[in-house]
Amino acid sequence: GAVVSQHPSRVICKSGTSVKIECRSLDFQATTMFWYRQFPKQSLMLMATSNEGSKATYEQGVEKDKFLINHASLTLSTLTVTSAHPEDSSFYICSARRESSYNEQFFGPGTRLTVL
Amino acid sequence: AQSVAQPEDQVNVAEGNPLTVKCTYSVSGNPYLFWYVQYPNRGLQFLLKYITGDNLVKGSYGFEAEFNKSQTSFHLKKPSALVSDSALYFCAVRDRGGYQKVTFGTGTKLQVIP
Repeated sequence: GAVVSQHPSRVICKSGTSVKIECRSLDFQATTMFWYRQFPKQSLMLMATSNEGSKATYEQGVEKDKFLINHASLTLSTLTVTSAHPEDSSFYICSARRESSYNEQFFGPGTRLTVL
Repeated sequence: AQSVAQPEDQVNVAEGNPLTVKCTYSVSGNPYLFWYVQYPNRGLQFLLKYITGDNLVKGSYGFEAEFNKSQTSFHLKKPSALVSDSALYFCAVRDRGGYQKVTFGTGTKLQVIP
């Protein structure tokens, strides 16, 4: 159990367009999900904490108007990269927190975004 | 603020030899500690975690890690390396309170040489 999926796995878009990435917890409910960004050969940087039914909490330096997060249900969070630019090209990974005695997080397989 | 340090960008080891990937952490209170592995263009795969209890934690694929509170370390080890172990390894620490954010180390590339 405890599977997290992301869709799409890869996306290529033109500069100026918007791209939506979905993160789903398939077999558990997650009131909290997290979005990370990973540049080539670098670590994962937390972008924001997504909370079901409320606004996301963004990390310092992350533009909330650029990276829109919607946690519409207990199994789905979406990240929309608005007006994408080539510098937004990156690997985006989500995780979902399963409520338990130590609230383990489970990671999705990631989405490779390439902005042309 | 919590932090994780992985002092080695890359570790090279011969197949069959023991391997160690180092990790030290800084956190207030008792930590939750994790190791993840990442293969190229893939997400993270969970290897093992320390929550409480025995300092020696055994995980997937024959990996283990030892929690050392006095040295604030959580080094990843395996007695005999396989070529298929070659990947990027991340150590991570997590808050016990609040949103329980995970902070990752910079990663260590493990290269197992046949």
